Amino acid sequence: GESVGLHLPTLSVQEGDNSIINCAYSNSASDYFIWYKQESGKGPQFIIDIRSNMDKRQGQRVTVLLNKTVKHLSLQIAATQPGDSAVYFCAESVMNTGNQFYFGTGTSLTVIP
Amino acid sequence: DVKVTQSSRYLVKRTGEKVFLECVQDMDHENMFWYRQDPGLGLRLIYFSYDVKMKEKGDIPEGYSVSREKKERFSLILESASTNQTSMYLCASSSVLDNEKLFFGSGTQLSVL
Repeated sequence: GESVGLHLPTLSVQEGDNSIINCAYSNSASDYFIWYKQESGKGPQFIIDIRSNMDKRQGQRVTVLLNKTVKHLSLQIAATQPGDSAVYFCAESVMNTGNQFYFGTGTSLTVIP
Repeated sequence: DVKVTQSSRYLVKRTGEKVFLECVQDMDHENMFWYRQDPGLGLRLIYFSYDVKMKEKGDIPEGYSVSREKKERFSLILESASTNQTSMYLCASSSVLDNEKLFFGSGTQLSVL
């Protein structure tokens, strides 16, 4: 089944299950959000982004949900695969104010074959 | 695909040495950034630049300087390396024409002994 955690530093899921990774952001003025994936020994890789005028956006096997009321962001990964094992972190920014992003510390996802 | 290249993957320096970290991007991005990444602290912005020859301090600029003589190249300089500057250093770039998405290099793991 799914593993849902709030501010958990680690998350383990069975291969084929769905994963949900959560992120709480701090600035109510933030209007642009990105999820990154960082594999061991590599730089962060862009996964998906969302602007504050949306509450949901879908990509390939990934969905980002934004709840501005409680300042919460989540990343859902469908049919999790071993290659999804990585650290995932969110980034928030206020657009057109200097392109400065603030990053969460990340959640380490481990996919169990 | 955007490519952000950092010149060194691993670097070992001694306390007091002057250290240069180089970053080159090949997509004509206006914005370039230097972050450091430490366990439990996430990514923290050191310096950024919106154009050639301009620079702005980020959240933790102390002990660092930068140089941007050409649009594609952004250098981070540690004038006198200290042990507390041991960290993973990540360079990133973005374009105002692409939703300001940050694209990262693979990182330089710097150890100061």
